[in-house]
Amino acid sequence: EVQLLESGGGLVQPGESLRLSCAASGFIFNTYAMTWVRQAPGKGLEWVSAISGSGDTTYYADSVKGRFTISRDNSKNTLYLQMNSLRAEDTAIYYCAQAIRWVPVSWGQGTLVTVSS
Amino acid sequence: DIVMTQTPLSLSVTPGQPASISCKSSQSLLHSDGKTYLYWYLQKPGQSPQLLMYEVFTRFSGVPDRFSGSGSGTDFTLKISRVEAEDVGVYYCMQGIHLPYTFGQGTKLEIK
Repeated sequence: EVQLLESGGGLVQPGESLRLSCAASGFIFNTYAMTWVRQAPGKGLEWVSAISGSGDTTYYADSVKGRFTISRDNSKNTLYLQMNSLRAEDTAIYYCAQAIRWVPVSWGQGTLVTVSS
Repeated sequence: DIVMTQTPLSLSVTPGQPASISCKSSQSLLHSDGKTYLYWYLQKPGQSPQLLMYEVFTRFSGVPDRFSGSGSGTDFTLKISRVEAEDVGVYYCMQGIHLPYTFGQGTKLEIK
């Protein structure tokens, strides 16, 4: 059974940084792409970023390009999202998901990031 | 970016009755490989989204056969043949042909 456990969320001030982690189990981690999708409070879903199984290829939404960096450590079965220069509009629940063709398939339970002064 | 537009944004259905959700994309989702990359997700109250349908009409593992998907090009529909109480939540369509992938606004299904 696929299990994804996000962590690292919290309250930060605008301009600060945060790193999210997603611990994966139940599948061969390095054979799957992974994605991050976020959901602002009471709003819909926004695809944020994706990374290939090897980590060689990454994609970003325009809204986070240049500020967020997706990475993975296949030896630890862990996905990361480094978020810099955070803005109020980045406030959301961040979900990691196992992906096929960059499409989220199995999702974690999410971690809440709040950007506020 | 491709814009995904869902209608209606909410619907209230009596258990046992059918339900239908429309999703329209601003560009064709037909890939040169012959597949159409349209997906449906359901986010039940207080839960993470879950994949229901992929490539328009294929049910993901464990999805009941009362769910069906149809459509082509830019117009798609998710149908529930007989709504059950466990089907409540918000349904999202998503295009998976052009990065960044984009979701519809969501359709909230409630039970009468």
